[in-house]
Amino acid sequence: DVKVTQSSRYLVKRTGEKVFLECVQDMDHENMFWYRQDPGLGLRLIYFSYDVKMKEKGDIPEGYSVSREKKERFSLILESASTNQTSMYLCASSSRTTEQYFGPGTRLTVT
Amino acid sequence: AQSVSQHNHHVILSEAASLELGCNYSYGGTVNLFWYVQYPGQHLQLLLKYFSGDPLVKGIKGFEAEFIKSKFSFNLRKPSVQWSDTAEYFCAVNALYYNTDKLIFGTGTRLQVFP
Repeated sequence: DVKVTQSSRYLVKRTGEKVFLECVQDMDHENMFWYRQDPGLGLRLIYFSYDVKMKEKGDIPEGYSVSREKKERFSLILESASTNQTSMYLCASSSRTTEQYFGPGTRLTVT
Repeated sequence: AQSVSQHNHHVILSEAASLELGCNYSYGGTVNLFWYVQYPGQHLQLLLKYFSGDPLVKGIKGFEAEFIKSKFSFNLRKPSVQWSDTAEYFCAVNALYYNTDKLIFGTGTRLQVFP
């Protein structure tokens, strides 16, 4: 079974803090993705990576950055957290042209 | 820009009722199509997918979807829902022309099934 794990299920941070969300997959997938999920808005792509050290902006990259130093690990960084970044963050991975496999999500609250 | 529309935002059914959730996409070329489900407190998981071939696709738990190219649609169906089908359902599309594995998701449909 494909497994995508995320470092935290729940996280509470203060405005202005730097936040790191980690995602690890165990299936040697080339692609990894970060989404945020908000009620009524569905899933919106923040960034994705199709190879180590490669990244591309998604639909809502502002306020976020990413890092992929190893194939199995993809990190999402909030340089200076703001309250409008309170959300559920989902990581996913896939091989080329296959379905995406999702992690359990991290519910981030910024106060 | 590509987009995916799920017209039903919230659907309430009784057990044994039939279900059809709409999904329409805006891209006219070759597409891969997906339905994902998110049960309460659980992660998103794949319900079914269409890449090519028979446009009627069967998935897990008795769900099926039909790809109608002329209507740009990929509606999800189940003849008889159960209480355990209560979940949020997301349609997603990958437009192959752009040579990327990105998915565009709809905004989701929340299904509540009452016993």
